[in-house]
Amino acid sequence: AQKITQTQPGMFVQEKEAVTLDCTYDTSDPSYGLFWYKQPSSGEMIFLIYQGSYDQQNATEGRYSLNFQKARKSANLVISASQLGDSAMYFCAMRERADMRFGAGTRLTVKP
Amino acid sequence: NAGVTQTPKFQVLKTGQSMTLQCAQDMNHEYMSWYRQDPGMGLRLIHYSVGAGITDQGEVPNGYNVSRSTTEDFPLRLLSAAPSQTSVYFCASTRDSSTEAFFGQGTRLTVV
Repeated sequence: AQKITQTQPGMFVQEKEAVTLDCTYDTSDPSYGLFWYKQPSSGEMIFLIYQGSYDQQNATEGRYSLNFQKARKSANLVISASQLGDSAMYFCAMRERADMRFGAGTRLTVKP
Repeated sequence: NAGVTQTPKFQVLKTGQSMTLQCAQDMNHEYMSWYRQDPGMGLRLIHYSVGAGITDQGEVPNGYNVSRSTTEDFPLRLLSAAPSQTSVYFCASTRDSSTEAFFGQGTRLTVV
C-alpha cells in the first residue's frame, strides 16, 4: 500500500524567507503523481503543485517549487519569499491510479 | 461554475441514525472520492470511484457505503452512525490520474 510521510508536525518561518516542507513516499508502482495542498484555517483544500513520476524537471508554480528526488522517494515543497497568508496546514499526497492518499500534514506559521 | 458541491455543510446525528452525505460535480470528472479528516490529522480515503457504476474501498471504508449511478453524483451513506464517525468529510473529483483533485467545502458531522 502506498504511504506518505510528513515528519514535521509544525514549522516556523520568518516573513520573506524561504521554507522547505518535507515529504517522503513509498510505492512500488513506477507511475504515480505527487501533489501538495494547502488548507487554511477556513478549511478548504487548495491545490498548489503537481509532479509526475516521469517528469524530468522539478515542478514550479509561482512561489512554490517541488524538489523531486526520485531515488530518495522525496517530494519536498519549497515556498520562497514567505507571506503571512502562507500560514496554514500543508499536505503532501500521492496518487498511483485513481486513489489519492495524504500525509498527516505540516502546520506552517509565518512570523512577521 | 459550481465545481464540487457538498450538502449539508453541518449535521448532528444521534448514535445509530443513518444519513447520506451528498456530493455533486459539474466538471464531467470520472474520478470521485470521499475523505474524512479528524482534528489535527490528514485526510483519509473512505471510498472512491473511477466512473459510473464502479466503486472501490479506501483506507477506512467500514461503516460507510457508496454508489455511483451517474457521473455527477457520489453520495456517501452512513449506515448506523457512531461517535467515532464524528469528523469533517470531504468529497473530491478529478479528471484523470495525473491532474489535481477539486474538493468540496466539506461537511462537519457530529455524532452524539
